[in-house]
Amino acid sequence: AQRVTQPEKLLSVFKGAPVELKCNYSYSGSPELFWYVQYSRQRLQLLLRHISRESIKGFTADLNKGETSFHLKKPFAQEEDSAMYYCALTLWSTGGFKTIFGAGTRLFVKA
Amino acid sequence: EAGVAQSPRYKIIEKRQSVAFWCNPISGHATLYWYQQILGQGPKLLIQFQNNGVVDDSQLPKDRFSAERLKGVDSTLKIQPAKLEDSAVYLCASSLEQGVTTAFFGQGTRLTVV
Repeated sequence: AQRVTQPEKLLSVFKGAPVELKCNYSYSGSPELFWYVQYSRQRLQLLLRHISRESIKGFTADLNKGETSFHLKKPFAQEEDSAMYYCALTLWSTGGFKTIFGAGTRLFVKA
Repeated sequence: EAGVAQSPRYKIIEKRQSVAFWCNPISGHATLYWYQQILGQGPKLLIQFQNNGVVDDSQLPKDRFSAERLKGVDSTLKIQPAKLEDSAVYLCASSLEQGVTTAFFGQGTRLTVV
């Protein structure tokens, strides 16, 4: 079955420290992967997607098909990065595409 | 651009009552999604529309949940009758089309069933 796993519910780091939010997926096809973020009192929004190969707010994520992972990384965490982060997998299913979300990781950046 | 609008923001009902949620997607977005997010979990897709047709409703509890998007624009999600386990945030999202396109989310409706 298709699945997205985020093993850490909470990740706490100090400002300026590197941060890595882990995401593993289970899907036999060609995956399309995304990271969504939800800041306090704001709506869920797209952070980045792997096909764009972009860096947003200093975050990057590399798809590793061998390890079926799509970890989110930032070399120097900032306090404003504190938020809930969700990894998501879009796949083709009967009738069309659908997106599966992981359970999320709460990142807390301490001053 | 205007975002995805949802109402109400909060709703408290007793079990066995009915409730309805409304969503207005971003103008021009053909695909509309309803997600259920239970506390501590990620969003779970309930139903996905492409224009006014249903693409995926495999995880919609059809004995109590229903959704429609009659004119391919606004959508309503209804629960009748509600159970305690339906307490969750109900998120509406829209995208230009299916597949690898960005989904834009509404603020959500927080439902509490007591």
